[in-house]
Amino acid sequence: GENVEQHPSTLSVQEGDSAVIKCTYSDSASNYFPWYKQELGKRPQLIIDIRSNVGEKKDQRIAVTLNKTAKHFSLHITETQPEDSAVYFCAASNPGGGADGLTFGKGTHLIIQP
Amino acid sequence: DTAVSQTPKYLVTQMGNDKSIKCEQNLGHDTMYWYKQDSKKFLKIMFSYNNKELIINETVPNRFSPKSPDKAHLNLHINSLELGDSAVYFCASSQTWENSALHFGNGTRLTVT
Repeated sequence: GENVEQHPSTLSVQEGDSAVIKCTYSDSASNYFPWYKQELGKRPQLIIDIRSNVGEKKDQRIAVTLNKTAKHFSLHITETQPEDSAVYFCAASNPGGGADGLTFGKGTHLIIQP
Repeated sequence: DTAVSQTPKYLVTQMGNDKSIKCEQNLGHDTMYWYKQDSKKFLKIMFSYNNKELIINETVPNRFSPKSPDKAHLNLHINSLELGDSAVYFCASSQTWENSALHFGNGTRLTVT
């Protein structure tokens, strides 16, 4: 099955600086890569996703890049703000879908220092 | 007007009891899921169900059973609760079976004493 590794487990950055979270996956058949943000005590929410036919996707201060050859993808947050503090999860999904389809990384706790 | 709603929000019970968590989605999605989030925040899928097919993660004990009366509901029943079952359980739904965004409920924090 798919294995998703996520680094770092904790990331502390100064407000206004950029943050980068990296993930690698093992199954070359995976073709869908979402990122979820989970604030303390709340549910995970999708913030951005990318499919394997695209190398980069951007939404305001958030961008995701995908390198299919190397089997890694990254989340970039620019001009970080206090409300960006949360746990971020990457995930990878293969075309099979269902329970076998989506595997999550172990999460990155992003801390924005004022 | 919550898209994916689950009840109860908190559940405290003793070892050996049987409990259920209910989940409903009003998004018209085809697929529903149950995830377990442990104390280290790791999200682990337990079940996925798309109206006709149930897929069970092989690591889930058979004390856990999903029940779906219709496409909009996927309830989780747990028999003979154990201390290690303490966690936050999230219900989720997605539009299709394959590669579509998950919409999570607000979670049920289960504490087994």
